[in-house]
Amino acid sequence: QSVVTQPPSASGTPGQRVTISCSGSSSNIGSNSVNWYQHLPGAAPKLVIYSSDQRPSGVPDRFSGSKSGTSASLAISGLQSEDEADYYCAAWDDSLNGYVFGTGTKVTVL
Amino acid sequence: EVQLLESGGVLVQPGGSVRLSCAASGFTFSSYAMNWVRQAPGKGLEWVSAIIASGVTTYYAASVRGRFTISRDNSKNTLYLQMTSLRVEDMAVYHCATSSGDYWGQGTLVTVSS
Repeated sequence: QSVVTQPPSASGTPGQRVTISCSGSSSNIGSNSVNWYQHLPGAAPKLVIYSSDQRPSGVPDRFSGSKSGTSASLAISGLQSEDEADYYCAAWDDSLNGYVFGTGTKVTVL
Repeated sequence: EVQLLESGGVLVQPGGSVRLSCAASGFTFSSYAMNWVRQAPGKGLEWVSAIIASGVTTYYAASVRGRFTISRDNSKNTLYLQMTSLRVEDMAVYHCATSSGDYWGQGTLVTVSS
């Protein structure tokens, strides 16, 4: 059972904005940066946000990240059908001395 | 082009052992810390282990500590995961990835079943 929690699902119609929350603690999100990954079944996970709010080259600017205290969030604006996937936040945990992934959120484009 | 190619996935009985390999190309492997991450059927991503670029320091999830060993051969651009005393709950697709998260492999399936 992960120490970092996300809502199991989120949805929106094409063009809408969807926000996914990621709740941790002082030992992980509270003291380390957060990465966000997009994961399609059978594929390799893809980094969409690093260092809490930075976008890798090639990732559309529709994706944005933020962090405040022990929580982080990923926003997808102008939702597109290709954004339908599972999304995971992740951060190093100083107490566990290891990396922790969030529980994951399935984004559905209605 | 960056590539991480895992191999070694197999069907093994509980209590058995398996060694996974991850062949890296297209980037300076010896400069990157590396992770193993797994996904069990119907479950989310779970971090398994990490190793720093030099290989001197390693980290493990509590669920595998004492049973799994991560290592690397920078001369061969290859990452390894030696898995022993395997349990049914270790059954998963195992991905190798850079610790920065930039690069991931497609994964290799380890099935643990009698």
